[in-house]
Amino acid sequence: DAKTTQPNSMESNEEEPVHLPCNHSTISGTDYIHWYRQLPSQGPEYVIHGLTSNVNNRMASLAIAEDRKSSTLILHRATLRDAAVYYCIPTPPTEIQGGSEKLVFGKGTKLTVNP
Amino acid sequence: DAGVTQSPTHLIKTRGQQVTLRCSPKSGHDTVSWYQQALGQGPQFIFQYYEEEERQRGNFPDRFSGHQFPNYSSELNVNALLLGDSALYLCASSLRDSYNQPQHFGDGTRLSIL
Repeated sequence: DAKTTQPNSMESNEEEPVHLPCNHSTISGTDYIHWYRQLPSQGPEYVIHGLTSNVNNRMASLAIAEDRKSSTLILHRATLRDAAVYYCIPTPPTEIQGGSEKLVFGKGTKLTVNP
Repeated sequence: DAGVTQSPTHLIKTRGQQVTLRCSPKSGHDTVSWYQQALGQGPQFIFQYYEEEERQRGNFPDRFSGHQFPNYSSELNVNALLLGDSALYLCASSLRDSYNQPQHFGDGTRLSIL
């Protein structure tokens, strides 16, 4: 499993952009990079994922470095509802017949959004 | 469309007892994974069930066992409870062979061991 390094915590103001970094220098060539977040008192929820090129969806953007050793999750306009712990998870292909890949969570980055 | 549901939401047990936690996957999903989340830590993978069989297992002792039913729902059983088993237990569901498709999590069962 690829090791990840994320800041323990970050702070942002409401309606400002937020850039959440993740280092994954031991990532393999076939690992996708997934981001999940966990709001207080809830289970994790999927945010976005990518392999090599940058990705956008309605929640966020994912910028992946050319060497794939790091990535940045971008929240374009933070809201109070974005206050959560954000997890960066490199995910190798599943090696078993059927089922899905397991997710290996680190400690993540706790994002605080100030009004 | 119901998401992943877990029951109960909270549970208090004493050391040495046994506990069963339940999970209903999101409609259309057939694979269930269980995670343990200690306070202040990220979730840790326990095991995964698909086609009623355990397919993958994390670094957890045999005291942790599970089952998947024909309707894809699942149970997590923990025997001989220890104080260290106090945690949030999360269930996630997905569709088979759905590499890189999002996994959907329930809000967990908070287990406290006295």
